[in-house]
Amino acid sequence: QLQLQESGPGLVKPSETLSLTCTVSGGSISSSSYYWGWIRQPPGKGLEWIGSIYYSGSTYYNPSLKSRVTISVDTSKNQFSLKLSSVTAADTAVYYCARHELMTTVTYDYWGQGTLVTVSS
Amino acid sequence: DIQMTQSPSSLSASVGDRVTITCQASQDISNYLNWYQQKPGKAPKLLIYDASNLETGVPSRFSGSGSGTDFTFTISSLQPEDIATYYCQQYDNLPPLFGPGTKVDIK
Repeated sequence: QLQLQESGPGLVKPSETLSLTCTVSGGSISSSSYYWGWIRQPPGKGLEWIGSIYYSGSTYYNPSLKSRVTISVDTSKNQFSLKLSSVTAADTAVYYCARHELMTTVTYDYWGQGTLVTVSS
Repeated sequence: DIQMTQSPSSLSASVGDRVTITCQASQDISNYLNWYQQKPGKAPKLLIYDASNLETGVPSRFSGSGSGTDFTFTISSLQPEDIATYYCQQYDNLPPLFGPGTKVDIK
């Protein structure tokens, strides 16, 4: 059974960089059939796609966040990571990692449990 | 960008009731639409993909229909465990966009 688990600091100061890692178990992140993505949800609000990455390193980002986002992959560790720079209180959210098929079929079938990141001094 | 709307934003129904949620896209997205269920404190769960296909393991009381710009999600007989927020999500174009959600609870 595929499992995804987010990890990283739960508190980040304004203007700093948020860094999270998603560890994939029960399957290979190097599968040619899937992309790996980040989605976030501010408290009490809806879901926002941040971006996706293929095992080869090919990335797609939400234009609204593109200038601040970097997603990377480490196939040797079966992990992919998110960096979001220059954070503000508006970036406070639960951050989820998830799997989907190719970029023409962004259907998330497996999700991590989510991790709350609070931006505050 | 494509805009997604859902209605109602919330509803209250009795156990056994038929519940219907609608999702509308601002442009034609063919059948490139998914439905997710999110319970409090949990990650979303895929219920319906490609507008009308039931994900493996999902109870048959859940169904979806529609194409183009107008979509419907139905729970044929509401159960207590169905209390959740339901989101539609389009993937015809990037960015893949979620609707604002419909919160369902028991009357």
